[in-house]
Amino acid sequence: QKEVEQNSGPLSVPEGAIASLNCTYSDRGSQSFFWYRQYSGKSPELIMSIYSNGDKEDGRFTAQLNKASQYVSLLIRDSQPSDSATYLCVIRGSNYKLTFGKGTLLTVNP
Amino acid sequence: EAGVAQSPRYKIIEKRQSVAFWCNPISGHATLYWYQQILGQGPKLLIQFQNNGVVDDSQLPKDRFSAERLKGVDSTLKIQPAKLEDSAVYLCASSLGPLPGTNEKLFFGSGTQLSVL
Repeated sequence: QKEVEQNSGPLSVPEGAIASLNCTYSDRGSQSFFWYRQYSGKSPELIMSIYSNGDKEDGRFTAQLNKASQYVSLLIRDSQPSDSATYLCVIRGSNYKLTFGKGTLLTVNP
Repeated sequence: EAGVAQSPRYKIIEKRQSVAFWCNPISGHATLYWYQQILGQGPKLLIQFQNNGVVDDSQLPKDRFSAERLKGVDSTLKIQPAKLEDSAVYLCASSLGPLPGTNEKLFFGSGTQLSVL
């Protein structure tokens, strides 16, 4: 089982819709959970971090964490064409190491 | 605030040649990372420094890759000799520290795109 798994996509949604990005992980002792956005040809940038079970909202972005199910997700409300990018799920495991998922390519169609 | 500086931006070499990449992290950031990102994949950690000490180099191909961080600031990553499969983007990132919390946010440089022919 891969340490951090994401659906590689592409995920295509119309402008204004909700985009839902999912990530599962294998290390039950994982401590910190992040979503990084990477535009084509650019470097990753942090958009959300979450440390405890439940939801965390920041503008149009909501991160959801369920440690019992080993599942973390990112919801993007009112998706815009500018949200089109690859979204990387990043997890700090019980060994304090950061592991990146392969990323999900999101395309928002005008 | 200046970001993470990397150079060169692009590099094309032939296999078996050597290449070096340079990184200057954000001032005051104790932790420095080198990642390799192959097209279509997530970044893979090559080496992590805490100040000038190595924290994790478990995925660094030590027969051909080497890295150093002199005086706990700038860092260089070297490949000698390069192979075709080394073609990738090499990303440098820094953070205030590795501990859980706001200190662990990674700031990435613009990366070096390496093509090995």
